[in-house]
Order: sequence, then C-alpha cells, then structure tokens
Amino acid sequence: EAGVTQFPSHSVIEKGQTVTLRCDPISGHDNLYWYRRVMGKEIKFLLHFVKESKQDESGMPNNRFLAERTGGTYSTLKVQPAELEDSGVYFCASSQGRHTDTQYFGPGTRLTVL
Amino acid sequence: DQQVKQNSPSLSVQEGRISILNCDYTNSMFDYFLWYKKYPAEGPTFLISISSIKDKNEDGRFTVFLNKSAKHLSLHIVPSQPGDSAVYFCAASPNDYKLSFGAGTTVTVRA
Repeated sequence: EAGVTQFPSHSVIEKGQTVTLRCDPISGHDNLYWYRRVMGKEIKFLLHFVKESKQDESGMPNNRFLAERTGGTYSTLKVQPAELEDSGVYFCASSQGRHTDTQYFGPGTRLTVL
Repeated sequence: DQQVKQNSPSLSVQEGRISILNCDYTNSMFDYFLWYKKYPAEGPTFLISISSIKDKNEDGRFTVFLNKSAKHLSLHIVPSQPGDSAVYFCAASPNDYKLSFGAGTTVTVRA
C-alpha cells in the first residue's frame, strides 16, 4: 500500500512568488494534516482536514496560506505571496478515524524562499 | 509557546548500550503521548505511544515511561543498534487530533 506522498520534494522561490504544495494521503484516510518544521526547530501543526472540511486551522500562520482538499482526497497548500520566514519543511500526514490512530507522515517538501 | 520540550538536542551512545531520551511538557490537558523517529530526507515514522492512564508501555527494544506528576516522559532503547541513529521527536495531544512536537533529539549510535 502506498504511503503519504508529497510533491515537490524541494522548491526554491523568490520572495513574493507563489508556491503550491501537494499531498496525497493514504487511500481511505479521512484525516489529513499539514505540519511545518522551521530551521531544525519543533514540528508545528498547521491544520487538519476531515474529508474535505477544515476541522482545525488554528496553526495557520496568516492569510497568505491557503489549504484545500477538494473532494476529500489530495490536498494542496498554497503560499501567496511567499516571505523569507516561510522557508522550512512542510509535512503532510494522514490517519484513519480516531484521534489516537497513527498519523502517517509523508517525506515532506523543503521550501526555500530567497 | 512551546508546550513540548526536548532539552537535549543530541545523544551519543555506544552500540549495545541503553539510549534514554527525555521529554517535558507543560500542558496538563495532554493525555496521549507519542515518539516518532525520523531519518534524513524522510518523514517522521511512528515508534511508540502511551496514554495518560498508563505509566509504561513496552514494544520490543523500546519502552516509554510517563510521569504525569512531573509532566515528563522518556524513551528507552535497549540495546541500541546502528540503525537507531536518527532524530527522535516527542509528541503529545489533548484528546484530539492536533499533535504538539518537541524540537527533536539526534541520536548517534557508535559502533
């Protein structure tokens, strides 16, 4: 069974540009999460989807970040316009129904904003 | 504010010996605790978990201990093996889906 996949693996953009990250969760997982790790610090929660609905977006830094999960399958995270402090590794994770079900993480997208 | 803290950024241990990783938390609402392991260029992989109703959970070479009064948990790996060299993240949640992570501890197992 395929794991969580993310695209691209790396992205280098200039300040002010737009970037869209994609996450394909494990098939059948209703829960999808986005996390971010900046500069070797802690991994921070960004938001949580249940199917196509945003359940918790308390970790989204500001309105330059927009996450979508149309149809309840894959998800995209758009940063527009990107700022220097948005650089980091963006992880996607997915899980089954209960909050204690394991969250399976993708390999991450490393975003560098110059 | 960081609610989960791993105060040791790195740990070096000899192969065959015990690795002990520590984690402290501040949120008394946390009731589920996890350890994840991460290799370079990969995502974190679930290792072991413990709920607040227990004080110990064991899975093979890995044992997690929880001290609720001290708001402290630890991960013991025994015996340590070269493949255990990785970054270990402590995480916690307050009976919901949102995980709060520590900054990680890099473990190096020396041959």
